[in-house]
Amino acid sequence: QSVLTQPPSASGTPGQRVTISCSGSSSNIGGNTVNWYHQLPGTAPKLLIYSNNQRPSGVPDRFSGSKSGTSASLAISGLQSEDEADYYCAAWDDSLNGWVFGGGTKLTVL
Amino acid sequence: EVQLVESGGGLVKPGGSLRLSCAASGFTFSSYTMNWVRQAPGKGLEWVSSISIGSSDIYYADSVKGRFTISRDNAKNSLYLQMNSLRAEDTAVYYCARADHYFDFWGQGSLVTVSS
Repeated sequence: QSVLTQPPSASGTPGQRVTISCSGSSSNIGGNTVNWYHQLPGTAPKLLIYSNNQRPSGVPDRFSGSKSGTSASLAISGLQSEDEADYYCAAWDDSLNGWVFGGGTKLTVL
Repeated sequence: EVQLVESGGGLVKPGGSLRLSCAASGFTFSSYTMNWVRQAPGKGLEWVSSISIGSSDIYYADSVKGRFTISRDNAKNSLYLQMNSLRAEDTAVYYCARADHYFDFWGQGSLVTVSS
């Protein structure tokens, strides 16, 4: 049972826009910034979005993040086949004094 | 180029011990908080432990508290995780990750298997 809640799966067709939600509480998302990671099978996770809505250099602007209250969302527009991966949200939790992750969302490009 | 290379994983019996190492290069290691994050087979990511730049602030997940010890040697650009009293549920790929406010670089991971 993860502290942050994500849907286990999401899907879309090439060119579509998909969103992945991440729900938390006041001790994590509500009081701290949210980061998103993606992971291809058999590889290490990579930073996708940091500080709620910032993209590291090299990440296409098709990826965007937002946060409102105790929830956050990752949006992917212009879906491409290479976007098929697992996506995780994360935030620092002030009550647990540690990082918490969502359970992950497996994105399938149909 | 930032590089994080884990080593020390392997097969260990329940109740046994293992020490993971992470060799860092390409950045000023002593300026960053470092972390261990693990991923059980087929499961999601789980943060394990964090250590601040001078080792003054150390945090552990409840699942490993009292059994695992994180440490670092800034002179050797290295991060460590001493794992004692290992359980089957500790079986996972263990990643070393650099993070102040987000995990911006990750190692390739080291597999730890706890089985009799």
